[in-house]
Amino acid sequence: AQTIHQWPVAEIKAVGSPLSLGCTIKGKSSPNLYWYWQATGGTLQQLFYSITVGQVESVVQLNLSASRPKDDQFILSTEKLLLSHSGFYLCAWRTFYAETLYFGSGTRLTVL
Amino acid sequence: SQLAEENPWALSVHEGESVTVNCSYKTSITALQWYRQKSGEGPAQLILIRSNEREKRNGRLRATLDTSSQSSSLSITATRCEDTAVYFCATEGTGGADRLTFGKGTQLIIQP
Repeated sequence: AQTIHQWPVAEIKAVGSPLSLGCTIKGKSSPNLYWYWQATGGTLQQLFYSITVGQVESVVQLNLSASRPKDDQFILSTEKLLLSHSGFYLCAWRTFYAETLYFGSGTRLTVL
Repeated sequence: SQLAEENPWALSVHEGESVTVNCSYKTSITALQWYRQKSGEGPAQLILIRSNEREKRNGRLRATLDTSSQSSSLSITATRCEDTAVYFCATEGTGGADRLTFGKGTQLIIQP
């Protein structure tokens, strides 16, 4: 069975500090991977997606970057956090031949 | 402007009653998906309905799609307390499932 693991579960960070969030998918080779951001009580905003190792497409510019260093790993990062980066970050995956997205349990980020 | 929008914004019914959430969208779609997100969790897909389908069922759930009016509905019968969640519609356009667009969601509360 496929599993998706996001880390950390929650972070409290200072404005201007760096950030790295991670996501690992086990049990599925070559998944399509996605990062979504959700403000409190808001919609899910797609940030990035990747269909293969080393390739990442940016959907929205929020002073964030993403990388896919391994087939099963997706990393979201920034060198300088803004207050507006606070929210719920969700990683998701799907197989290339199916349209269902499977989401992780998310990382709650609070920027102070 | 929002490309997909659910209404009402919030809804409360008693356990055992039926409820319907509506979704309107603004672009041509290839498919529409309904997701449910419980508090503190990532969303989970409920139903996927393609543009050439008018109705899809999944247990107590029934989704409809009217491409002429660019609208969809999700009905839940015999509601249970565990159906309490935020319900999102997500549209697939030319970008397919790599570019799902989510609405802001409907908060559904099922009272005992």
